[in-house]
Amino acid sequence: TQLLEQSPQFLSIQEGENLTVYCNSSSVFSSLQWYRQEPGEGPVLLVTVVTGGEVKKLKRLTFQFGDARKDSSLHITAAQTGDTGLYLCAGGGQLTFGSGTQLTVLP
Amino acid sequence: DAGVIQSPRHEVTEMGQEVTLRCKPISGHDYLFWYRQTMMRGLELLIYFNNNVPIDDSGMPEDRFSAKMPNASFSTLKIQPSEPRDSAVYFCATRRARDTEAFFGQGTRLTVV
Repeated sequence: TQLLEQSPQFLSIQEGENLTVYCNSSSVFSSLQWYRQEPGEGPVLLVTVVTGGEVKKLKRLTFQFGDARKDSSLHITAAQTGDTGLYLCAGGGQLTFGSGTQLTVLP
Repeated sequence: DAGVIQSPRHEVTEMGQEVTLRCKPISGHDYLFWYRQTMMRGLELLIYFNNNVPIDDSGMPEDRFSAKMPNASFSTLKIQPSEPRDSAVYFCATRRARDTEAFFGQGTRLTVV
């Protein structure tokens, strides 16, 4: 089983601040995905990264896939209260999920 | 398509009872996953199917858990007998192919008292 570790586990910031969360593994992945989950709902896909070194942008969110395809990061610029949620990375044919980063953006 | 449909949304049962959770996947999706989510352990993969065949059930906690996918339109996760430590939110997710987007149902919140 391919394991994914996320850090930090919890993050509380003020609106307008920038932040980065990380997803690391000792295994190589053909692709990594980032999901966001809100209370009472299932996770929803934000992005899929496939190529080593790839950078994808989704409005204020920037996703990067490591050159060796073992790690990924999610950077949020000028966080808003609506960004609050659980951010999960996932990968592999068996769709293993990391432990998640619970982000709280305070007004 | 209505998305992945899970039932029931909530289930409260007594310890020792049998519990059956149901999932209707999105039509045309070849992969189906069952997860369990708790605060302590996060989102754990229990089992996944490809074309109705179980591929990896190494995440199934013990023999009390079983899952079936008799056809492309339906899957069940059964716990017999249930225990309080089985209390969690159980999610079903499906995707069309490997490395594509996974779509989740709204989950079943199971409470075993």
